[in-house]
Amino acid sequence: GQNIDQPTEMTATEGAIVQINCTYQTSGFNGLFWYQQHAGEAPTFLSYNVLDGLEEKGRFSSFLSRSKGYSYLLLKELQMKDSASYLCAVLDSNYQLIWGAGTKLIIKP
Amino acid sequence: DAMVIQNPRYQVTQFGKPVTLSCSQTLNHNVMYWYQQKSSQAPKLLFHYYDKDFNNEADTPDNFQSRRPNTSFCFLDIRSPGLGDAAMYLCATSRDRGSGGETQYFGPGTRLLVL
Repeated sequence: GQNIDQPTEMTATEGAIVQINCTYQTSGFNGLFWYQQHAGEAPTFLSYNVLDGLEEKGRFSSFLSRSKGYSYLLLKELQMKDSASYLCAVLDSNYQLIWGAGTKLIIKP
Repeated sequence: DAMVIQNPRYQVTQFGKPVTLSCSQTLNHNVMYWYQQKSSQAPKLLFHYYDKDFNNEADTPDNFQSRRPNTSFCFLDIRSPGLGDAAMYLCATSRDRGSGGETQYFGPGTRLLVL
């Protein structure tokens, strides 16, 4: 079966750095997405990785290792507004998006 | 601004009373998706349209139907809502299903409450 694993919940301090990990086992791979979802709202696109390596976009960076079936989302200089769920999703060989259940990130002052 | 719009944002219906949720997009994207998302769970794909080509997920209940009368609009019909259908319903679009156009953009969602 297809599976995406990410921690259920993480806590970090305002101004700090946090890394949210995602491991996947899917039938084929056509890219990995990270989405941010605030409570009661729709997911918002953050990043897309299809090649190995680090993609940096402002305070957020996303890393991919296809050989290890692994990705992480790195958030720097955390702000209170970063409190949200972060969803990892993989595009499989049929171009279907397989979603993780999300990591709830709690930022404390 | 180009966007995905869902109406209404909140919908209350009665057990067994048909309800229709709507989605429109100004992105001119080929693909439109309907997802169901329950609290603290991953979005669950119900179906998608590639242009006019309808694709139903194998485990989508028959109670759920969809229509896409044109490129811009897509509707989700729930014929006989049950208490278990209370959820957030998300509409999303993507330019394509491959060729670098796979990023999905979501509307704000419709939260359905079944009484």
